[in-house]
Amino acid sequence: AQSVTQPDIHITVSEGASLELRCNYSYGATPYLFWYVQSPGQGLQLLLKYFSGDTLVQGIKGFEAEFKRSQSSFNLRKPSVHWSDAAEYFCAVATGAGTALIFGKGTTLSVSS
Amino acid sequence: EPEVTQTPSHQVTQMGQEVILRCVPISNHLYFYWYRQILGQKVEFLVSFYNNEISEKSEIFDDQFSVERPDGSNFTLKIRSTKLEDSAMYFCASNVRDSRSGANVLTFGAGSRLTVL
Repeated sequence: AQSVTQPDIHITVSEGASLELRCNYSYGATPYLFWYVQSPGQGLQLLLKYFSGDTLVQGIKGFEAEFKRSQSSFNLRKPSVHWSDAAEYFCAVATGAGTALIFGKGTTLSVSS
Repeated sequence: EPEVTQTPSHQVTQMGQEVILRCVPISNHLYFYWYRQILGQKVEFLVSFYNNEISEKSEIFDDQFSVERPDGSNFTLKIRSTKLEDSAMYFCASNVRDSRSGANVLTFGAGSRLTVL
């Protein structure tokens, strides 16, 4: 069965420092890949997505993610974290056109001053 | 920016009671979904809905759950007889399908927190 693993449950980063959130998936082919962010009391907001083509994708709020087929990974990065980035981050995959999203358990990001 | 709207934001109910969670998807979207997130756990797919019928459902979506689109704008999730383990955040989502890849790009609502006592 397909699965998504986010190995880090909670990460704390200093404001201004770089960030990388890890995501690995288990699936035989290349899935559609997504990162969502959830701020307290808010819904899930799409940060970026990968369907095909260039393996480095740019998203909103200065985030980017790189798809690495050899590692079955889709890690999220940001060069300089802001306090407002503190939130829960979810990696998700869809294994085919029109199929349901499968989410990872999420990584909570805390930003220290 | 268009939003998916969910009501209520929080509902507390007694075990065995029926609950209806409501969602207003984005107006030009055609595909609708319910997901749930039990506290501390991952977001889980429940059901997808297209063209007035269920297109896909998970094993979680058993006979106590039902969905409908009663009036062409609202999309509801009904839990017939709630159990303690139904306590969770329930997210509604809607989408337009990406025209090139066919992939779903979902827009989620803020969620309805259900607490079953």
